[in-house]
Amino acid sequence: TQLLEQSPQFLSIQEGENLTVYCNSSSVFSSLQWYRQEPGEGPVLLVTVVTGGEVKKLKRLTFQFGDARKDSSLHITAAQPGDTGLYLCAGVVVRGSNTGKLIFGQGTTLQVKP
Amino acid sequence: ETGVTQTPRHLVMGMTNKKSLKCEQHLGHNAMYWYKQSAKKPLELMFVYNFKEQTENNSVPSRFSPECPNSSHLFLHLHTLQPEDSALYLCASSQEGGLAADGQFFGPGTRLTVL
Repeated sequence: TQLLEQSPQFLSIQEGENLTVYCNSSSVFSSLQWYRQEPGEGPVLLVTVVTGGEVKKLKRLTFQFGDARKDSSLHITAAQPGDTGLYLCAGVVVRGSNTGKLIFGQGTTLQVKP
Repeated sequence: ETGVTQTPRHLVMGMTNKKSLKCEQHLGHNAMYWYKQSAKKPLELMFVYNFKEQTENNSVPSRFSPECPNSSHLFLHLHTLQPEDSALYLCASSQEGGLAADGQFFGPGTRLTVL
């Protein structure tokens, strides 16, 4: 079974703090996506990383794909209340019966207090 | 606004009711998906349609019946559901005809409660 494990599952911080969310698996992915989901809404795609070691920046958000393409991280600098939401990672499977499928982690709930 | 709309946004139904969820995408995509999102569980893929043809049924019980009349519309017909089917049902679409790495655009979801 290919699983994506996210950590932490819940994070509550003060505005201005930095944080990192991790997405780990024993499986290799051809690409990995990060989504943010706000209450009452569907997930919104933030970024896709496709190359091992790749780093992408989106304003205060930095995404990294692990060299072996089994893990990824999301780092937020100087978090703001507007960053509050559920962060989901999702990977495209490259081997096995689920090849080509997109599987999701269970999500990290981030709460940024003003 | 992601270009994917879902109706209704909220639905409460009894176990003997029949209801339908509707999804419409205005993005010109070729693939559409139904997901189930339950508390503290990863998103569960239910069905995939590519160019109106069903290409994936992820062992979903027959009380859920999808319908895709064209590439822009997707329905999920519900019949004799169980309380454990209560969840947020999300529709998504993507450009390519499959579960590819091009990213998916999600609707806001239908919050379903089965009494």
